[in-house]
Amino acid sequence: AQSVTQLDSQVPVFEEAPVELRCNYSSSVSVYLFWYVQYPNQGLQLLLKYLSGSTLVKGINGFEAEFNKSQTSFHLRKPSVHISDTAEYFCAVSDRGGGGSNYKLTFGKGTLLTVNP
Amino acid sequence: SQTIHQWPATLVQPVGSPLSLECTVEGTSNPNLYWYRQAAGRGLQLLFYSVGIGQISSEVPQNLSASRPQDRQFILSSKKLLLSDSGFYLCAWYAGSDYGYTFGSGTRLTVV
Repeated sequence: AQSVTQLDSQVPVFEEAPVELRCNYSSSVSVYLFWYVQYPNQGLQLLLKYLSGSTLVKGINGFEAEFNKSQTSFHLRKPSVHISDTAEYFCAVSDRGGGGSNYKLTFGKGTLLTVNP
Repeated sequence: SQTIHQWPATLVQPVGSPLSLECTVEGTSNPNLYWYRQAAGRGLQLLFYSVGIGQISSEVPQNLSASRPQDRQFILSSKKLLLSDSGFYLCAWYAGSDYGYTFGSGTRLTVV
């Protein structure tokens, strides 16, 4: 079984400040890792994903995340946020398939990022 | 291109009424399809997934059911809605490890 913990339910920041949204996971198998963004009353949009290779992953809208296997973390960062980054952010993991796993995604409970002027 | 359609966008239904939400996928064949529910403060919960026509797996016991009558169609249903069925329902399909999941735009269901 897999689980995802997003340590902060809400993160308020000022515009142009840096931000880090924390995500820890647990799994007995190797995983893929994802960050999604959700704007109000919309579906989820993929920000970035880690499949393999370099542990620093760059995504859309200037976001990046670093996979740390020893700490089982996948924190999301942005050096300078904009008002338009205000949204809910979800960290998710899936197994790597095979054995009938069916690639199910397990989500964290989300972090609401509010960027204030 | 590969797209996913989900409707309706919003729905207000009385307790005890039936429910049918539809999701269709274009531009792919034999996709893995998923229904998620998002309740306030509880993140996204996987309800059902399907790996093929007529193949449905349920993740949690509940008042809902799912069906896959065609390869690219996934339907979420209920015979009698409960207040606790309110939430934001998202359909998704898995497009392989290079692309990950694609989500529909969601249905906001309010049971009154």
